[in-house]
Amino acid sequence: GDSVTQMEGPVTLSEEAFLTINCTYTATGYPSLFWYVQYPGEGLQLLLKATKADDKGSNKGFEATYRKETTSFHLEKGSVQVSDSAVYFCALYGSSNTGKLIFGQGTTLQVKP
Amino acid sequence: GAVVSQHPSWVICKSGTSVKIECRSLDFQATTMFWYRQFPKQSLMLMATSNEGSKATYEQGVEKDKFLINHASLTLSTLTVTSAHPEDSSFYICSASGGGAGYGYTFGSGTRLTVV
Repeated sequence: GDSVTQMEGPVTLSEEAFLTINCTYTATGYPSLFWYVQYPGEGLQLLLKATKADDKGSNKGFEATYRKETTSFHLEKGSVQVSDSAVYFCALYGSSNTGKLIFGQGTTLQVKP
Repeated sequence: GAVVSQHPSWVICKSGTSVKIECRSLDFQATTMFWYRQFPKQSLMLMATSNEGSKATYEQGVEKDKFLINHASLTLSTLTVTSAHPEDSSFYICSASGGGAGYGYTFGSGTRLTVV
């Protein structure tokens, strides 16, 4: 079945450092891919998405490119801020999922001043 | 943009009582809503898919008699935790999609349930 694998956290960075959170997926067909962010004690917010191969999703300085050849959707940001500290979830929606989002395990990002 | 309102944001209840959590889509109609449970430092576990006007579809291992889901209208789904016990304490999150899954799902802000 469809699945999503994220790099284990926590990821600890200093402010203004470059961020990469790896995400790879397994799915049949052409899934849609998402990154969600969860701040402490809150629900999930959609950060960015890509619906077809080679699409690049971007928002708030974050970006991720849908790479079908490597089945990846890595999240990147050139310069992180303390306010980016949160848990990041990679997710996919595939044609076989009957409407369900499949989530990765989440990666905690801690940014220190 | 699409907004999903979830209430209450936190609740404390006594063991053996029931608790109802509401999930409303404020500016779109949601024929399908999803209920998740999240344990500390873990990912979201899908509990059930709620379809307007029909019975919910529960994931394997989720007790349908304990977690009652009602989706009476296109903008409201409720999750009732019946005869709650301390092990039901968790963070519950709902989500809905108004424009098809390719547009992404909108999540509620979550409900922290503590059973004492």
